[in-house]
Amino acid sequence: AQKITQTQPGMFVQEKEAVTLDCTYDTSDQSYGLFWYKQPSSGEMIFLIYQGSYDEQNATEGRYSLNFQKARKSANLVISASQLGDSAMYFCAMRSFNNNDMRFGAGTRLTVKP
Amino acid sequence: GAGVSQTPSNKVTEKGKYVELRCDPISGHTALYWYRQSLGQGPEFLIYFQGTGAADDSGLPNDRFFAVRPEGSVSTLKIQRTERGDSAVYLCASSLDSTRTYEQYFGPGTRLTVT
Repeated sequence: AQKITQTQPGMFVQEKEAVTLDCTYDTSDQSYGLFWYKQPSSGEMIFLIYQGSYDEQNATEGRYSLNFQKARKSANLVISASQLGDSAMYFCAMRSFNNNDMRFGAGTRLTVKP
Repeated sequence: GAGVSQTPSNKVTEKGKYVELRCDPISGHTALYWYRQSLGQGPEFLIYFQGTGAADDSGLPNDRFFAVRPEGSVSTLKIQRTERGDSAVYLCASSLDSTRTYEQYFGPGTRLTVT
C-alpha cells in the first residue's frame, strides 16, 4: 500500500527566507508521480508542482522546487523567498501509474512571519 | 475559464438522512475524482471516474456511499443514512485525462455536517 508521511505538522519561516517542507513516501511501484498542493484557509487545493518517478531533473516552478531523492523515497518541497501569502497548509501526494487514486500526507502548516 | 464548482458549499443534515453533493468539472476534463477531507487531515480518495464509468471506487468507505456521472460531465456523490462520522469536507477534482502527468484541479468543496 502507498503511504505518504509529512513529519512536520507546523513550520515557521521568516519572510524572504527559504523553507523546506519534508515528504517521504512508501510504495512498491516503480512508476509514480509526486505532487505538492497548497491549501489556504479558504479551503481550495492549489496545485504547485509535479515530479515523475523517472524524471532525472528536479522539478521547478517559479519559487517552488522539488528536491527528489528516489533512493531515499523523499520529495521535499523547497519554497524560496517566502512571502506572507505562502502561509497555508501544504500537502504532499503520490499517484501510482498502476491506479488512479491519489494518496495525500497529513499536511504541514506553514506560517510566514513578517 | 471556469474552474471546478461544487454545490452546495455547506450542507447540514440530520443523522439518518440522505444527501447529494454535486460536482461540475472543468469543461473537457474526462477524469473526475471525489475525496473526503476530515479536520486536520489530508484528502482521502473515494472514487474516480474516467468518462461515465467509475474506474476505481475502492475508496468508498461502505455501501452507503455511491457516486454517478451519467453523461461524463457532472457528478453526484450520494450518501444514504448519514452518520455523524460522515461529517467532513467533500472535495471534487478533475483532470484532462487519467494519465500520470496531469494535475488534478480541485473544487472549493462541500462542507457536510451531520447532526
